[in-house]
Amino acid sequence: RKEVEQDPGPFNVPEGATVAFNCTYSNSASQSFFWYRQDCRKEPKLLMSVYSSGNEDGRFTAQLNRASQYISLLIRDSKLSDSATYLCVVRSSNYQLIWGAGTKLIIKP
Amino acid sequence: SAVISQKPSRDICQRGTSLTIQCQVDSQVTMMFWYRQQPGQSLTLIATANQGSEATYESGFVIDKFPISRPNLTFSTLTVSNMSPEDSSIYLCSAVSTLSYEQYFGPGTRLTVT
Repeated sequence: RKEVEQDPGPFNVPEGATVAFNCTYSNSASQSFFWYRQDCRKEPKLLMSVYSSGNEDGRFTAQLNRASQYISLLIRDSKLSDSATYLCVVRSSNYQLIWGAGTKLIIKP
Repeated sequence: SAVISQKPSRDICQRGTSLTIQCQVDSQVTMMFWYRQQPGQSLTLIATANQGSEATYESGFVIDKFPISRPNLTFSTLTVSNMSPEDSSIYLCSAVSTLSYEQYFGPGTRLTVT
C-alpha cells in the first residue's frame, strides 16, 4: 500500500460544478498536510495547508479526518483555470514529506 | 513564501557529459531537496541536500551519479553525471520554509539528453 494515495483521475467536470478530491495516508503519526497544485509543465505550487479544524480559502475547502486518515479538498463553482493536477502531501513525524501521485482535474466549458 | 530560482532553466546535453544545476533560495529555509519528474508522472525524490555534509539519497539514487552540494543554508547544486537519454527529465529544487514549514519549488530544469 502506498503511503499517500490519490485517485489519479482524470476528473472531467463541467464549469461551475463542485468537485471533491480525497487522499488517504497510511502513517497515523503524520503531522502536517498540504494540497499542492501543478499546472502542465510547471512546478508544484502550494494551494493550502490543511488544519485539523478544516479551513477554507475562497472556493476551496480542505478537511482532515485523522481517525480515518484522509484529507479532502473541495472546489466549489469550478473555473476553467482550476484545471490542473492536485497533489496531496503529508509530513511525517520525522519531517519527511510524502507526496501523492496527484489527481488530474479537467474543467470543461 | 520562499522564492526559489534555478539555472539553467533548460538544457540539451550529449550522452556521457555532466550537467550541474544550481538552486538559490531567497529566504531562510531548513531543508532542501532535489526531485525529478518525468512528463505526466509524479514527483520522485532524489535526495535531501544537507548543509555542509553529504546528501541523503533515496533508494535508487547514488552519489556518484547525482552528486549534491549545499555549502550554505540557501544554495545547493545537483550534478547529473555521465548522462544517458534515460536522465531526460525535469529536475526540481525544493525547500522548506523555516517560518511556515511549507514546501516550495523552483521552476525546474528541463533536461534533454541526446
